[in-house]
Amino acid sequence: DTGVSQDPRHKITKRGQNVTFRCDPISEHNRLYWYRQTLGQGPEFLTYFQNEAQLEKSRLLSDRFSAERPKGSFSTLEIQRTEQGDSAMYLCASSFGGSQETQYFGPGTRLLVL
Amino acid sequence: DAKTTQPPSMDCAEGRAANLPCNHSTISGNEYVYWYRQIHSQGPQYIIHGLKNNETNEMASLIITEDRKSSTLILPHATLRDTAVYYCIVTFFGNEKLTFGTGTRLTIIP
Repeated sequence: DTGVSQDPRHKITKRGQNVTFRCDPISEHNRLYWYRQTLGQGPEFLTYFQNEAQLEKSRLLSDRFSAERPKGSFSTLEIQRTEQGDSAMYLCASSFGGSQETQYFGPGTRLLVL
Repeated sequence: DAKTTQPPSMDCAEGRAANLPCNHSTISGNEYVYWYRQIHSQGPQYIIHGLKNNETNEMASLIITEDRKSSTLILPHATLRDTAVYYCIVTFFGNEKLTFGTGTRLTIIP
């Protein structure tokens, strides 16, 4: 069990560019979550998947954001036409689901939009 | 989810017990109390959770008052590595999204 991994750990981009982040959950975890954390605040829920199905999206997830989990394993979060307000830590978590709902978080991807 | 209130910051001497309070006066009967912590530049780490009984694991103890309106997380012998932001979260078991507040920044003093 290697834990939840995220790639890249850091990303600097210019406003207007597209970025994509990857999350690899703990193997056999059915649920995968994305959160966003800005400086001085706690993480905020963005969306989650049960296997490959995206079951809930926060209103924070604007049309410029899209997340996928095509085979129910790893997930990607894409941000199109990045804005300076997108600068944040993007956290991924996974859990078994059902009666095993403890969420295990990855180290996060820190995004800076210039 | 019920709202929680935590002090913004606390200090604790190394080797002493750290007691972190959390108020959740609007908690409903089937909501659980979860604690996570976040060490600087890392993702949150699960610590412990409970419903109404006190709970203990290898990391900490969770004491929930009889009326369930408040709880205390206890780190029995704090070390410098326990310096982190501690989040108290009240939510239904199996709820897909965790609602984090701003937590308590615990600093362990050598």
